[in-house]
Amino acid sequence: DTAVSQTPKYLVTQMGNDKSIKCEQNLGHDTMYWYKQDSKKFLKIMFSYNNKELIINETVPNRFSPKSPDKAHLNLHINSLELGDSAVYFCASSQGDLAGGANVLTFGAGSRLTVL
Amino acid sequence: AQSVSQHNHHVILSEAASLELGCNYSYGGTVNLFWYVQYPGQHLQLLLKYFSGDPLVKGIKGFEAEFIKSKFSFNLRKPSVQWSDTAEYFCAVCNQGGKLIFGQGTELSVKP
Repeated sequence: DTAVSQTPKYLVTQMGNDKSIKCEQNLGHDTMYWYKQDSKKFLKIMFSYNNKELIINETVPNRFSPKSPDKAHLNLHINSLELGDSAVYFCASSQGDLAGGANVLTFGAGSRLTVL
Repeated sequence: AQSVSQHNHHVILSEAASLELGCNYSYGGTVNLFWYVQYPGQHLQLLLKYFSGDPLVKGIKGFEAEFIKSKFSFNLRKPSVQWSDTAEYFCAVCNQGGKLIFGQGTELSVKP
């Protein structure tokens, strides 16, 4: 019973291609996130959706487009992949926003993207 | 801009040694504080969190952290580490805007 599941776990592709990473959570949470972890393990938020509505959109190239068909899913589509996009992408979810007090992030296992 | 700083990039300890990992943040308002752990090849898991009340919080696996507001710090401690504690540790801060900002992580290696 994986709480936050991401697919694929590994993705190797050529520069210039378009790829998607899917994320689903079965926790009944209303907020979902995408984080990028670079080669130095630094984690940075990319996007956050609450009930399918975009609430956090960091300075991310517009080649990255999140899509939330419903509150249990948040997919990440990346156009025209570049070498610098190589990273581990983590999906996460929470019930409500994190400023509320008791809420915490639950992370998925990560999707390692390698752009050649 | 809000930031989180973890002073130790890589810490190497022998089993049974005591651990303290530093974390400082820059934000003057009310914050919620977290420590996450990432075991090799795995996803991030919550170790402990602070929202309010007692500034000394206890988490899983014998970890604890102390929030010192005057020092903007939230250091992680464990009195006696085990080989299985080898992992990457991340401090994170959430402000009232609801955005969780992570530190750059500290790699802990425990020698058996």
